[in-house]
Amino acid sequence: GESVGLHLPTLSVQEGDNSIINCAYSNSASDYFIWYKQESGKGPQFIIDIRSNMDKRQGQRVTVLLNKTVKHLSLQIAATQPGDSAVYFCAEKGDTGFQKLVFGTGTRLLVSP
Amino acid sequence: DTAVSQTPKYLVTQMGNDKSIKCEQNLGHDTMYWYKQDSKKFLKIMFSYNNKELIINETVPNRFSPKSPDKAHLNLHINSLELGDSAVYFCASSRVSAGSYEQYFGPGTRLTVT
Repeated sequence: GESVGLHLPTLSVQEGDNSIINCAYSNSASDYFIWYKQESGKGPQFIIDIRSNMDKRQGQRVTVLLNKTVKHLSLQIAATQPGDSAVYFCAEKGDTGFQKLVFGTGTRLLVSP
Repeated sequence: DTAVSQTPKYLVTQMGNDKSIKCEQNLGHDTMYWYKQDSKKFLKIMFSYNNKELIINETVPNRFSPKSPDKAHLNLHINSLELGDSAVYFCASSRVSAGSYEQYFGPGTRLTVT
């Protein structure tokens, strides 16, 4: 079956550091991946996405890396700020289901000043 | 100009009651979803509608019944509420464009069953 998991449930960093949040997925047929940020009391918010025909995509202060060989996804946040503190989810669109996203378990990022 | 809205934001009720949660999106999307997020933050899809037609129906007790009166609305009715139904329920919407499957989430409805 499909599953998406995260290696670290909580990541603590200092303001200004770079953060790396990792995600492992099991469905090699997944063709699309997405990262969401969820702040306390709010709904998940889109950060960045990547298709399986790419191995890197950059946004503003964020970079997503995709390694299909080992089925691994990572989100890099440059110069982490206190406002980046949240729970981060990766999700994959598998090869079954219409626009169905399967979410990972989430990683809490704590940024201290 | 809220994109995806849900009502109510909080819902506290007793076991055995029937309750509904409403969702509306003003993004012009054609697909809407209901997710359940448990106390460990695990987010799992429950249902999805595309153009008012049910397209995803995960293993959910039949006490849960979604209804989509039109493309902009997706409601969730829950019968005979149980303690295990306590969770945050999120509505989301999407439209496939240029290969993006981004889903836009509402603010969530925290359901507490006592």
